[in-house]
Formats: sequence, structure tokens, C-alpha cells
Amino acid sequence: DSGVTQTPKHLITATGQRVTLRCSPRSGDLSVYWYQQSLDQGLQFLIQYYNGEERAKGNILERFSAQQFPDLHSELNLSSLELGDSALYFCASSAEQGGTEAFFGQGTRLTVV
Amino acid sequence: GQNIDQPTEMTATEGAIVQINCTYQTSGFNGLFWYQQHAGEAPTFLSYNVLDGLEEKGRFSSFLSRSKGYSYLLLKELQMKDSASYLCAVRGEGTNDYKLSFGAGTTVTVRA
Repeated sequence: DSGVTQTPKHLITATGQRVTLRCSPRSGDLSVYWYQQSLDQGLQFLIQYYNGEERAKGNILERFSAQQFPDLHSELNLSSLELGDSALYFCASSAEQGGTEAFFGQGTRLTVV
Repeated sequence: GQNIDQPTEMTATEGAIVQINCTYQTSGFNGLFWYQQHAGEAPTFLSYNVLDGLEEKGRFSSFLSRSKGYSYLLLKELQMKDSASYLCAVRGEGTNDYKLSFGAGTTVTVRA
């Protein structure tokens, strides 16, 4: 158990819908990262938050947004879902902005039908 | 940008040694990570190198040469449970680049 909690574990939804994925980082970790892992593209960095502020952005679509709340949990919002958005979405956390180790949650498997 | 290459698949026998190579070309460098990922599960941290040389941790060792843009992960005394995907990841440098760029992963199959 990494200490990073993601909910839900599985999500099935229809195209065009909107979903919210939730992540609670390890106790004391200020930095949260979101990654997408699909079969054809491997693990792709989406976005990073540090202590409530956006710190780095990767290949995140405009239909996707995220935020980190004062209690440090984070949410990833995916809207106007397409079939190609089906993937595993991982959240990771680390103690510092660029800590030597990031701990991954178990992921949310999103299936868009 | 970041370009990270590693072999797609490797097969080895239980008890043997396997070396997974990773080459990278990046716009900046602030550390190289190795993660293990079993199918459908979260990646788990194995090692971190930021300076040249070898880091040893039990049966796993990782080597880095920054001048060559090269790293390897060495798995010794292979066990069946080591069958997994091994991900090489590089962290860029800069105040807004504290993110990991992952290679596609190397699937290691350990046979009896």
C-alpha cells in the first residue's frame, strides 16, 4: 500500500459524459501528479499540483482539468468523454516538488462506451 | 522534449540475471527513475539515479551515465514474481518541469 488513495477504482460511462476522479495523497505530501496510461501510449504525464497551485502541465487535453484543494486532495475532471479517453488514470504524490520518489495510487480504470 | 528508449520485451530464466537498458535524449535532466509495474497495477518505485554510477538495492541495481544518456537496471537472482513491466523515467530540469517522462516499458518474462 503506497498510501495514495484513488477513487473510484472502476468507472464506466458513455461518450459525451463528464466524470471526476479523486486522489488523496500520502499524509504530508504536498505534490500531486496525474498520469494517463493507455495501451498504445504508455504512461503519460498530465498535470502536477504543489500545495494547491498548478506547477507543471503535460499533454493534458483542454477537455480535462484538475485542481488541488486546501486539504491537499486532488480531483481530475474529464468532460465530453470520447472512446479514446478509456485508460488507467494514476495519481502519484511526493513530499517535495521534485522529490526523489513518487508514490502511485492504484489507479482508476475508466471505460468510455 | 524527452525521448526515452528501452527494449520492448526480455525473457530470462529463474535465478539468472537480466539487464534492461534505457537511453534518453532530454532537454534537461534532473534524475532517472526505474519503476516496476505488474499488469493492471500501480507502478512501484525501484531506484533513483541523479549522479553517475551504480546504485545497489538488494537484488536490483541501477546505473547511470549522464554523458552517454544511458542507464540500466540489473535484476539478479530472478524470481517468478519479477515478471512485470519495467519503466524507465526521466525528470526534466527547471522550476516548471518537475514531472516524469516515461519510456514505453520493458516487459520481462521469467521462465522456470
